[in-house]
Amino acid sequence: DTGVSQNPRHKITKRGQNVTFRCDPISEHNRLYWYRQTLGQGPEFLTYFQNEAQLEKSRLLSDRFSAERPKGSFSTLEIQRTEQGDSAMYLCASRQDRSSGNTIYFGEGSWLTVV
Amino acid sequence: QKEVEQNSGPLSVPEGAIASLNCTYSDRGSQSFFWYRQYSGKSPELIMFIYSNGDKEDGRFTAQLNKASQYVSLLIRDSQPSDSATYLCAVTVSDSWGKLQFGAGTQVVVTP
Repeated sequence: DTGVSQNPRHKITKRGQNVTFRCDPISEHNRLYWYRQTLGQGPEFLTYFQNEAQLEKSRLLSDRFSAERPKGSFSTLEIQRTEQGDSAMYLCASRQDRSSGNTIYFGEGSWLTVV
Repeated sequence: QKEVEQNSGPLSVPEGAIASLNCTYSDRGSQSFFWYRQYSGKSPELIMFIYSNGDKEDGRFTAQLNKASQYVSLLIRDSQPSDSATYLCAVTVSDSWGKLQFGAGTQVVVTP
């Protein structure tokens, strides 16, 4: 169990550029979540995968955001035409079905700064 | 809009004292409740979870849940400077896929 792995850990990009974040969940965890956190706020849910199926997307997730989990293992979150308001920490989390207490575990996060 | 409310703080606690953090939630269907600790610039780290009414103790931490009052709390005994962090309350959203809804967090500062 190596934990949830995210990369890159930090990304600085110019407004209008595309960025992609990758998440490798804990092995055997079939549920994967993306959250976004801005300064002074708690994490906000973005999207959820069960295996390779994307089962829920938040209304926060505009058309510029897309997420995939093609083989039910790692996941990517792409942001197209970035805006300054996209600057945040993007958190990936995973859990098993029927895990004790519905516990989810977070990765270390990917910081995005749009300049 | 389902909400999770926490006092933002900062909550200043002398070293060795008890820190008491509170959280209220609006979703009556929530089944599981979590406390995460988050150091500045880091990701949330799970401290403990609770899903039955009453108290649950884990080391220096005690979580308390009252579903009737829609209230969950966290006590930190013998507070240490290393406990200085933001504490996030999270609840599962009913009829969801284990999705969590978070409060904005309470900042705790333990003073030597």
